[in-house]
Amino acid sequence: AQSVAQPEDQVNVAEGNPLTVKCTYSVSGNPYLFWYVQYPNRGLQFLLKYITGDNLVKGSYGFEAEFNKSQTSFHLKKPSALVSDSALYFCAVRGLSGGYQKVTFGIGTKLQVIP
Amino acid sequence: EAQVTQNPRYLITVTGKKLTVTCSQNMNHEYMSWYRQDPGLGLRQIYYSMNVEVTDKGDVPEGYKVSRKEKRNFPLILESPSPNQTSLYFCASSAGQGLSHEQYFGPGTRLTVT
Repeated sequence: AQSVAQPEDQVNVAEGNPLTVKCTYSVSGNPYLFWYVQYPNRGLQFLLKYITGDNLVKGSYGFEAEFNKSQTSFHLKKPSALVSDSALYFCAVRGLSGGYQKVTFGIGTKLQVIP
Repeated sequence: EAQVTQNPRYLITVTGKKLTVTCSQNMNHEYMSWYRQDPGLGLRQIYYSMNVEVTDKGDVPEGYKVSRKEKRNFPLILESPSPNQTSLYFCASSAGQGLSHEQYFGPGTRLTVT
């Protein structure tokens, strides 16, 4: 069965500092990995994805993610955090499980950027 | 504007009273899916549809039904709602059936069953 782990419920970072939100995954076959962001009272918005190729993926709003196959990780990063980045972040994996196409999300990590 | 819409946005109902949450997308997407979001559990997939008349169960399908009679619409039906179905529900769509496609989410429907 596929799974996603986001080990931190909350990450606090000072404005201007680099940020990392961690994600590890388990899936059969090739991993298709996604990061989404959820602002209060809103639906999820797509940030970036890893399909194949370069291990460093760049996405929206200056975010990037590093895919590491040996560690089965897909950590979200940003070089300089903004207060407006404060939100709930979800990592997700899309794969085949028992013949069904499944999408599995992590439990989410709340990012708090402190002015 | 390309979007996924859901109605209603908020709903309070009583146990056993059938309800339908509608979902519609205007992007001609093949794949559509329903999720519920609960604190500490993240999003869990309820049902998904690869195309018209093709639906499959997700991880938590019990107590829910879906149909896909038209490409743009994917309603979620609770025939006999119970309090444990109180949750925040999201509909999503993606351009293709393949695993590489990102999803576009609706604004959510907050359901309370008393």
